[in-house]
Amino acid sequence: QVQLQESGPGLVKPSQTLSLTCTVSGGSISSGSYYWSWIRQPAGKGLEWIGRIYTSGSTNYNPSLKSRVTISVDTSKNQFSLKLSSVTAADTAVYYCARGVDIVATITPDYYYMDVWGKGTTVTVSS
Amino acid sequence: SSELTQDPAVSVALGQTVRITCQGDSLRSYYASWYQQKPGQAPVLVIYGKNNRPSGIPDRFSGSSSGNTASLTITGAQAEDEADYYCNSRDSSGNQHVVFGGGTKLTVL
Repeated sequence: QVQLQESGPGLVKPSQTLSLTCTVSGGSISSGSYYWSWIRQPAGKGLEWIGRIYTSGSTNYNPSLKSRVTISVDTSKNQFSLKLSSVTAADTAVYYCARGVDIVATITPDYYYMDVWGKGTTVTVSS
Repeated sequence: SSELTQDPAVSVALGQTVRITCQGDSLRSYYASWYQQKPGQAPVLVIYGKNNRPSGIPDRFSGSSSGNTASLTITGAQAEDEADYYCNSRDSSGNQHVVFGGGTKLTVL
């Protein structure tokens, strides 16, 4: 079965760029019609969607983060990545990657869900 | 609107039935999906679509939807169901965004 694993520095200095990678194992990142997403969760708080990249390479970003976020995919390495620029302490969180499925139905409502998640990686922004 | 609203906390007696709700304009156009998160763990998908359970999710978990409200029902709550629950859907504004509810802390008494 498909598994996801986040990796990257656990400590980033303020104003620098946070860079994380999600490695997909057990399947090809380019097969199927999936969205590959990043989600984060500050300690003691809820989940926040950061953005996603489709198999084709098209991206969607959270409007509140859009000016600082870039998500890309490297099919040769079966990985997708997150870059978040100009970080502050408010970006300290556990960062998750996840696989998403977007269902466009003909009669019933559409729906979107994320069925495979990485274990998460903690990123602290501090000098 | 791109917001999904959940009650911060709900409690249920062991073996009883509990409903966790999620409200938002986007739910008039999209079904919600539901995730269970236990402390120190990643979220786990428990319900998606009209009322679909991934493999391995007990059938005591079910989902429903009416108007702008989606519900996750646990029939016969067990101690291991104590967790945070999050709803999630597409944003109905047509801009391909994804939104989460603020989460509900479920306590099993």
